[in-house]
Amino acid sequence: DAKTTQPPSMDCAEGRAANLPCNHSTISGNEYVYWYRQIHSQGPQYIIHGLKNNETNEMASLIITEDRKSSTLILPHATLRDTAVYYCIVRVGDSGYALNFGKGTSLLVTP
Amino acid sequence: NAGVTQTPKFRILKIGQSMTLQCAQDMNHNYMYWYRQDPGMGLKLIYYSVGAGITDKGEVPNGYNVSRSTTEDFPLRLELAAPSQTSVYFCASGPANEQFFGPGTRLTVL
Repeated sequence: DAKTTQPPSMDCAEGRAANLPCNHSTISGNEYVYWYRQIHSQGPQYIIHGLKNNETNEMASLIITEDRKSSTLILPHATLRDTAVYYCIVRVGDSGYALNFGKGTSLLVTP
Repeated sequence: NAGVTQTPKFRILKIGQSMTLQCAQDMNHNYMYWYRQDPGMGLKLIYYSVGAGITDKGEVPNGYNVSRSTTEDFPLRLELAAPSQTSVYFCASGPANEQFFGPGTRLTVL
């Protein structure tokens, strides 16, 4: 799995967009970018994933640069309930093996 | 659907005791996983299973054992508990692109 780099922490005002960056400069052609989050004291929660096209679902948008060396998870209208640790994970899709969680980005959404 | 359930939610063990953490899923997933999360750290894989009767070691398997006799259940056994096993344990199921996690078991070994 390719190594990822995320900022350790970020702040965002409630109602504003939260843009969480992830650097994965060694990503290979068949590796996907996955995002999970972990709200305090809960199990991680899958958010979104993508290969090279931008993706959007009801929770978030994922923007992947054309060279695929970095990506940004966008929470369009952050709420206090979005305060969590966000993990960017790069790996071959659906190989059946477990995810390599790093330290992630701790996002604090403030009123 | 209940999703992934774990019992107990909390447990305190004495050094040298043994226990089994229970995990069950009702989504008919072939893949199941056990992770541990130490305070302030990311999750680390202990064991995983790709189907009933098939298990394999993850990154930190020492001190643990697993079994998978049914699709639904994936218990984690701690033998001779040690303070280093104080952690929060998460069970998960599903394919790697969308794993479903249980609520966790908080274990303290004193």
